[in-house]
Amino acid sequence: KQEVTQIPAALSVPEGENLVLNCSFTDSAIYNLQWFRQDPGKGLTSLLLIQSSQREQTSGRLNASLDKSSGRSTLYIAASQPGDSATYLCAASGSRLTFGEGTQLTVNP
Amino acid sequence: NAGVTQTPKFQVLKTGQSMTLQCAQDMNHEYMSWYRQDPGMGLRLIHYSVGAGITDQGEVPNGYNVSRSTTEDFPLRLLSAAPSQTSVYFCASRRGAYNSPLHFGNGTRLTVT
Repeated sequence: KQEVTQIPAALSVPEGENLVLNCSFTDSAIYNLQWFRQDPGKGLTSLLLIQSSQREQTSGRLNASLDKSSGRSTLYIAASQPGDSATYLCAASGSRLTFGEGTQLTVNP
Repeated sequence: NAGVTQTPKFQVLKTGQSMTLQCAQDMNHEYMSWYRQDPGMGLRLIHYSVGAGITDQGEVPNGYNVSRSTTEDFPLRLLSAAPSQTSVYFCASRRGAYNSPLHFGNGTRLTVT
């Protein structure tokens, strides 16, 4: 059974800092790895989807990498802003989509 | 763009009552699904559908029913509510392919007393 872990559970950084969120998964037989953002009281918004054949994807200040062999993905956020404050979840897509519990990010002005 | 619309946003039920959570999408997505989100448990798949007339069970299907009579709608029915069903419920959809991003509604917060 796929298990997805995100460490740390919470992270607080000053504005302008570059940061990395980590995601690990136990079963490397995945179609893709997705990163989502969840704001309080809202649903999840898809940020990046990395196909199993890809190593990374970029969107603006966000860069996600995937290393299937080690069962790891990272989400890099450049020049963080207070508006980036949210919970970030990763999900591994195999026979089913399995979510991690998320990293709650706070960017302080 | 409406995307995925869920109603109601909040609901309080008494144990044993039944209700239907509504989900509609206007993106012509083949795949639709229901998740529940609980602290310490993450998001867990309840039921899903790969097209009109086709539904299947997810990880935690007990106590819930679904049907998919149209491409747009995928209601979730609680047959006899229990306190263990207190949760936030999310509907999500995507194009049929695995390699398409999942689009979520804003959720229904359900409390069963």
